[in-house]
Amino acid sequence: DIQMTQSPSSLSASVGDSVTITCRSSRSIRSNLNWYQLMPGKAPKLLIYSASNLQGGVPSRFSGSGSGTDFTLSISSLQLEDFATYYCQQSYSSPPTFGLGTKMEF
Amino acid sequence: QVQLQESGPGLVKPSQTLSLTCIVSGDSISSGGFYWNWIRQRPGKGLEWIGQIYSSGTVSYNPSLKSRASMSVDTSENQISLRLRSLTAADTAVYYCARGVDLGDYHDLWGQGTLVTVSS
Repeated sequence: DIQMTQSPSSLSASVGDSVTITCRSSRSIRSNLNWYQLMPGKAPKLLIYSASNLQGGVPSRFSGSGSGTDFTLSISSLQLEDFATYYCQQSYSSPPTFGLGTKMEF
Repeated sequence: QVQLQESGPGLVKPSQTLSLTCIVSGDSISSGGFYWNWIRQRPGKGLEWIGQIYSSGTVSYNPSLKSRASMSVDTSENQISLRLRSLTAADTAVYYCARGVDLGDYHDLWGQGTLVTVSS
């Protein structure tokens, strides 16, 4: 299985900050990398697919980049509703695997 | 607007079989270009893909579950099901169903999840 390593595991930030989360795969996954947002009691939400494509309805302050083994999720001008846990996921080979998550906190 | 809603027993005893259902509303489960997944999150752990199924019935499972999982689809009821047998405490998790998009293999819609606790 392809291992996905996310960093940091937690991130302290404030409203208005810009942050970046990184995700590294154990081997090349081309651009087959997706980002999700999880909040307690809510349905997980797809943010970015295929490394850099913004899912419909997701604010433009979210952006993704990378290819091969190294990827980033950037959030500019953090809003209150962005304090959540973020996961990367590779869809290059089966089984699809996820990172361990990055929890964003105040 | 397509919505997914999981349902299940909440509490199951060790060694028993878990049965979960995901009802899809707002679109036909047979719509082309999609498939249906079960994904879980164990306490304090990351997300784990359990398996996927197409409306045709074609399935694929995570080998890590050692053949304990089976999925089915009921197109007349517009729902998918998961059965997980030989449960242990390690199967305690929030179980999600999610729609997969064929072109890109990402999960664009998720249910809110259902908590399953395995305990005697």
